[in-house]
Amino acid sequence: EVQLVQSVAEVKKPGESLKISCEGSGYIFSRYWIGWVRQMPGKGLEWMGIINPGDSETKYSPSFQGQVSISADKSINTAYLEWSSLKASDTAMYYCVRPYGSETYYSAWLYWGQGTLVTVSS
Amino acid sequence: EIVMTQSPATLSVSPGERATLSCRASQSVSSNLAWFQQKPGQAPRLLIFYASTRATGIPPRFSASGSGTEFTLTISSLQSEDFAVYYCQQYNDWPPKFGQGTKVEIK
Repeated sequence: EVQLVQSVAEVKKPGESLKISCEGSGYIFSRYWIGWVRQMPGKGLEWMGIINPGDSETKYSPSFQGQVSISADKSINTAYLEWSSLKASDTAMYYCVRPYGSETYYSAWLYWGQGTLVTVSS
Repeated sequence: EIVMTQSPATLSVSPGERATLSCRASQSVSSNLAWFQQKPGQAPRLLIFYASTRATGIPPRFSASGSGTEFTLTISSLQSEDFAVYYCQQYNDWPPKFGQGTKVEIK
């Protein structure tokens, strides 16, 4: 059974750094892209970026380029989303996702993690 | 970037009635279109991919159609568990943007 298990909720102050994680299981981790989706409180879904865990190639949505960093460690089947300096506007639920098809990101995004709630407040 | 526009923003429907949701792409996405359902406090769930193929475990009261720029999701007879927010998403181009969502609420 494919599972994406995300790290627990975080409460941070503005200016702090943060790295949240997403561990994949039940499939060959390096063969499937992993994506990150943001959902601000009461709002819709926004695509942030993706990574190929096999070679660490990344792609970012223009809105998130330079704002976050996506990485992966295929030896432990884990992808990461990282901020170097959080803002209050980063308060949101963050989901990691995996597509239906292998070795492509032009595929329906079938599997979703349970979400990590990040709260940034002074 | 391809812009996805959903209508209406909110749909008020009585249980047992039919609901029809629309999604429009700013340029052709072929049939590379998915629909998701999201209930409060839950992660989105994939309902439909390739514009009209139901994902595993999705009941047949959910159907979808369309190609190119115009797409429709139909729920034939709304059950209590179907009241939720529905999103369309294109995956034909980068980034695979979502529509803004349609909330299906109880009338």
